[in-house]
Amino acid sequence: LAKTTQPISMDSYEGQEVNITCSHNNIATNDYITWYQQFPSQGPRFIIQGYKTKVTNEVASLFIPADRKSSTLSLPRVSLSDTAVYYCLVGLMIYNQGGKLIFGQGTELSVKP
Amino acid sequence: DGGITQSPKYLFRKEGQNVTLSCEQNLNHDAMYWYRQDPGQGLRLIYYSQIVNDFQKGDIAEGYSVSREKKESFPLTVTSAQKNPTAFYLCASRGDRLPNQPQHFGDGTRLSIL
Repeated sequence: LAKTTQPISMDSYEGQEVNITCSHNNIATNDYITWYQQFPSQGPRFIIQGYKTKVTNEVASLFIPADRKSSTLSLPRVSLSDTAVYYCLVGLMIYNQGGKLIFGQGTELSVKP
Repeated sequence: DGGITQSPKYLFRKEGQNVTLSCEQNLNHDAMYWYRQDPGQGLRLIYYSQIVNDFQKGDIAEGYSVSREKKESFPLTVTSAQKNPTAFYLCASRGDRLPNQPQHFGDGTRLSIL
């Protein structure tokens, strides 16, 4: 299973765009890239997932270059409530493989007023 | 309202005691998972089950046991053999057989030693 590397912490201010980059140099052909958000004493919440190029939903955008060895989560115009830990995961989500994921330490994002 | 329910939210264990953490989902998901999270750390996989009456060990299964008698339920027992059980325990489930379905998590049970 591919290991991921992301910054341990980041600071931002309200209204700014935040980009969190994740490295996954040994990503496999069948691996998807998934990002979760976690608040203290709560379970992780799914944000976005992609395989290649760009994915956008109502919460974030995910940019994946052609070699897929990294990905960038983009949060537009963050607010104080976006202060959380963000996890980048790479794993085989196919049903018969168990859908096992590896969680790293994540990136602790602190949004200031 | 569909989701994953973990109970209790807080649990205390005495030395030598087994305790069971409950996880119920009404999402009709086949796969269910148990993770452990220590302070400042990511999640580590304890056990997972892809279908009723079947489960597999994860990366840190020693001192834990599970059962999967019903599709909607996947209880985790922390046995007395688990010498360092204090942690935040998270249950997750994952739906259908498409390759890109993400895992959905409950809000966890925090287990402490008395």
